[in-house]
Amino acid sequence: KQEVTQIPAALSVPEGENLVLNCSFTDSAIYNLQWFRQDPGKGLTSLLLIQSSQREQTSGRLNASLDKSSGRSTLYIAASQPGDSATYLCAVTPGAGGTSYGKLTFGQGTILTVHP
Amino acid sequence: ETGVTQSPTHLIKTRGQQVTLRCSSQSGHNTVSWYQQALGQGPQFIFQYYREEENGRGNFPPRFSGLQFPNYSSELNVNALELDDSALYLCASSPRSSGSQETQYFGPGTRLLVL
Repeated sequence: KQEVTQIPAALSVPEGENLVLNCSFTDSAIYNLQWFRQDPGKGLTSLLLIQSSQREQTSGRLNASLDKSSGRSTLYIAASQPGDSATYLCAVTPGAGGTSYGKLTFGQGTILTVHP
Repeated sequence: ETGVTQSPTHLIKTRGQQVTLRCSSQSGHNTVSWYQQALGQGPQFIFQYYREEENGRGNFPPRFSGLQFPNYSSELNVNALELDDSALYLCASSPRSSGSQETQYFGPGTRLLVL
């Protein structure tokens, strides 16, 4: 059974800092890995999707890496801003053939607070 | 293009009652997945519907059931509500059921409280 773990559970940083969020998964047979953002009481917004054949993806100040063999992914946020405050969730699509598309296994999230 | 919408936004029920939650998928999307997110936890996959049929189910009992309609909107029904069913229920739509690397689009969720 796939299990996804995120460390740390919570993180508080001053504005402008670069930071790294960690995600690990127990079964390396994944189709892709995604990072989502969730604002309090709201739905999820996809930030980055890394296919199993890729090593990293970048979008603006965000960079996500994937090491499938070791079961790890990191989300790097550069020059953090108060507007980045949210819960960040990592999720994997299990399986090699994509037939499990849409049946995501999520970590418990990292609550990020960026203070001015 | 209209995004994923869910109704109601909030709901309070008592133990043993039944509830129906609704989701309208994004235009052109024929696949809907439902998730349960307890407070402080990540979402857990309940089931997925593709072209009106269940297409995979997570570790949830049969009292969690669903429907998908010809316009691809969907319902989640929960019978015999228990206190532990209190959670945020999220639906997500996507244009394909398999083989896609596209992300899903999540609705804002329905917050269910069971007393």
